[in-house]
Amino acid sequence: AQTVTQSQPEMSVQEAETVTLSCTYDTSENNYYLFWYKQPPSRQMILVIRQEAYKQQNATENRFSVNFQKAAKSFSLKISDSQLGDTAMYFCAFISSNSGYALNFGKGTSLLVTP
Amino acid sequence: SQTIHQWPATLVQPVGSPLSLECTVEGTSNPNLYWYRQAAGRGLQLLFYSVGIGQISSEVPQNLSASRPQDRQFILSSKKLLLSDSGFYLCAWTTGRSAGEKLFFGSGTQLSVL
Repeated sequence: AQTVTQSQPEMSVQEAETVTLSCTYDTSENNYYLFWYKQPPSRQMILVIRQEAYKQQNATENRFSVNFQKAAKSFSLKISDSQLGDTAMYFCAFISSNSGYALNFGKGTSLLVTP
Repeated sequence: SQTIHQWPATLVQPVGSPLSLECTVEGTSNPNLYWYRQAAGRGLQLLFYSVGIGQISSEVPQNLSASRPQDRQFILSSKKLLLSDSGFYLCAWTTGRSAGEKLFFGSGTQLSVL
């Protein structure tokens, strides 16, 4: 079974600074997808970024980028120029390309952006 | 455009009472549908998923059941709620065309069992 581990339950960063959230996963699959979802205080789940395992290039979406290390099974999220609106719970998720039917989520990291 | 509706937003129920949470999707056909539960400190746990009418797969043996009576309707039920059923329940859907596609979430139901 695939597991997703987020080892940082809570993090804090000052506005305009950069923060990195960690995620590791365990799988024997070679083809899969990784995601970061954001859940702000409204509790609405929002897709932040997606990475396909067969692509070596790290995905980026504006201020959000990932550091995908396939051999190490690591998928960290970097938020640059942090904004107050980035305050949220962040979930890392995994799905196998071949046998996956639903996203498998980590326990989440609560990020607080302070002025 | 596609939308997903989930209701009610909040629910307070006594232990032993029944439960029915409903989720409907608009603007798409034959979606894959999911029920997740979010408990404090435990992330999102997949409860059920469905790839078609009447097709339900359960991930976690528990006090809950799910049904899909129509293509775009997904219902989460319980005959007798337990305290441990408290949590934030999220319905979600995908087109099912690719494992890597985005998962669209409803706005969630906060269930408190007292």
